[in-house]
Amino acid sequence: GAGVSQSPRYKVAKRGQDVALRCDPISGHVSLFWYQQALGQGPEFLTYFQNEAQLDKSGLPSDRFFAERPEGSVSTLKIQRTQQEDSAVYLCASSPGSTWGPEAFFGQGTRLTVV
Amino acid sequence: SQKIEQNSEALNIQEGKTATLTCNYTNYSPAYLQWYRQDPGRGPVFLLLIRENEKEKRKERLKVTFDTTLKQSLFHITASQPADSATYLCALRSNSGYALNFGKGTSLLVTP
Repeated sequence: GAGVSQSPRYKVAKRGQDVALRCDPISGHVSLFWYQQALGQGPEFLTYFQNEAQLDKSGLPSDRFFAERPEGSVSTLKIQRTQQEDSAVYLCASSPGSTWGPEAFFGQGTRLTVV
Repeated sequence: SQKIEQNSEALNIQEGKTATLTCNYTNYSPAYLQWYRQDPGRGPVFLLLIRENEKEKRKERLKVTFDTTLKQSLFHITASQPADSATYLCALRSNSGYALNFGKGTSLLVTP
């Protein structure tokens, strides 16, 4: 596709429900990042993939958060037993190189609301 | 701990004036610094990257400076337009790991 695509755009989950957020990066991009952005805040790093390898998951807030990129393209961020504090926009970004470079592209994000 | 600080208050300026946004950081040893623009409901969009050995970088009406001694970057928009109204984020690569860490952003409003 032309850009990074995230789905769904909006998700409402009841507390305790599991959710899965999808990211389709730009074809051929090696690096993929997930961020969490609370209202009025900057994006907070969650995790990084280089192809299918998850090289950094230091930002995942708890073991309820899990991310995968099994074939080195599409990635899924899964949140188990959602809590109200998980409500935020989840952003995905991809970059053609193996590290951050000048051409990093973000998707529009998935707005998660936990009720 | 590593910190990135941007003006927390919104910046309101008149069309045609120069907007100047500040990014200060502590406990980073950055090889480069990036600036992004974010509009409501959208993901950040990359604007400029400046490397540690560059004092200044320009792109059309944008100018970025980078002072590694002061640990500060300034982001200027000259001849500002209402379409420049957005939140501007600065970002630095973590000293360890792969994270690109962002400041909270500064909201800019340009009025006609």
